[in-house]
Amino acid sequence: EDQVTQSPEALRLQEGESSSLNCSYTVSGLRGLFWYRQDPGKGPEFLFTLYSAGEEKEKERLKATLTKKESFLHITAPKPEDSATYLCAFTGGGNKLTFGTGTQLKVEL
Amino acid sequence: DAGVIQSPRHEVTEMGQEVTLRCKPISGHNSLFWYRQTMMRGLELLIYFNNNVPIDDSGMPEDRFSAKMPNASFSTLKIQPSEPRDSAVYFCASSHPLAGYEQFFGPGTRLTVL
Repeated sequence: EDQVTQSPEALRLQEGESSSLNCSYTVSGLRGLFWYRQDPGKGPEFLFTLYSAGEEKEKERLKATLTKKESFLHITAPKPEDSATYLCAFTGGGNKLTFGTGTQLKVEL
Repeated sequence: DAGVIQSPRHEVTEMGQEVTLRCKPISGHNSLFWYRQTMMRGLELLIYFNNNVPIDDSGMPEDRFSAKMPNASFSTLKIQPSEPRDSAVYFCASSHPLAGYEQFFGPGTRLTVL
């Protein structure tokens, strides 16, 4: 069965303390791996799509990478405003996305 | 663009009542998705439409749930009768055919069934 697992479930960082979030997947025929950010009381906000192993994408302090088994969301020198839940999702084709349970990130001063 | 619009933002109802959630997708998007999010199960796809046609409703939990998309700019998710276990946040999302599989989410409707 195709599935995605995110780790850790929760992460607490000090401002400026870089780290990475993990998204491990077992998908036959991955067509896309997605990262979303979700703030409390809001809908998920699209961040990145990765399509093939070796691909990388960056946005401000965030960089997403993809291998054949997992994706990482690297956060460099995080700020308190980066605090949110980060969700990864995949598609094996078509419009249907399957989401992981997320990593809740808290960045403290 | 206003983004995906959902109404109401909050709904409190009593068990057995009918609940209707509404969604207006982003103009030009031809795919629409209904999700449910709970602490226990995370974000689950209930049903999605392409060009107003239901494509996959395998996530609809039971016959009490139904969804319609009468035109490209409006969709409803109905629960009849509602039960306390339906309490969750319901999200609508839409996507454009030329934007890969990226989905854009609305703010959600928080449903509480007493």
